[in-house]
Amino acid sequence: QSVLTQPPSASGTPGQRVTISCSGSSSNIGSNTVNWYQQLPGTAPKLLIYSNNQRPSGVPDRFSGSKSGTSASLAISGLQSEDEADYYCAAWDDSLNVGVFGGGTKLTVL
Amino acid sequence: EVQLVESGGGLVQPGGSLRLSCAASGFTFSSYAMHWVRQAPGKGLEYVSAISSNGGSTYYANSVKGRFTISRDNSKNTLYLQMGSLRAEDMAVYYCARGASTTGTTRLDYWGQGTLVTVSS
Repeated sequence: QSVLTQPPSASGTPGQRVTISCSGSSSNIGSNTVNWYQQLPGTAPKLLIYSNNQRPSGVPDRFSGSKSGTSASLAISGLQSEDEADYYCAAWDDSLNVGVFGGGTKLTVL
Repeated sequence: EVQLVESGGGLVQPGGSLRLSCAASGFTFSSYAMHWVRQAPGKGLEYVSAISSNGGSTYYANSVKGRFTISRDNSKNTLYLQMGSLRAEDMAVYYCARGASTTGTTRLDYWGQGTLVTVSS
């Protein structure tokens, strides 16, 4: 059971907009920034969004993040086949004094 | 170019020990916190441990506390994870990742390719 809660799966057709939610608590998302990772099959995770809504250099602006209270969301617009991957949210937890991940969401592009 | 290269994974018996290393290059290693994250076969990411840039502060997931020790040698640009009392549930690919200048964040901007730890008799 992960500390952060994500839906196990999401799907969309090319060109669509999809969102992935991440729910936490006051000790993690409620008091720290959220980061999102993309993991393509067989590869290491890649930082996709940091500090709730910032994109590292090279990440397309189709990807965006937001946070409100103890929840966060990742939105992907103009869905492309290459976006098919696993997506994870993460935040520091002040009670556990360690980082925590969501269980991951497998995105399928239909 | 930032590079993180893990090594030291392999097959170990339950109850055994193993030390993972992560050789860093392409950045000022001593300026960044470093982290270990693992992924069991077919499962999601699990945070394992973190260490501050000077090694003075360490953090552990409850699942490994008391059994694993994170350390670093800034003169050798190398991060370590000493794993003891290994259990079947510790079997995973272990990734090292670069953090921010301070701990207390899960912003991990560079990751290694991972090293597989197999725990089996």
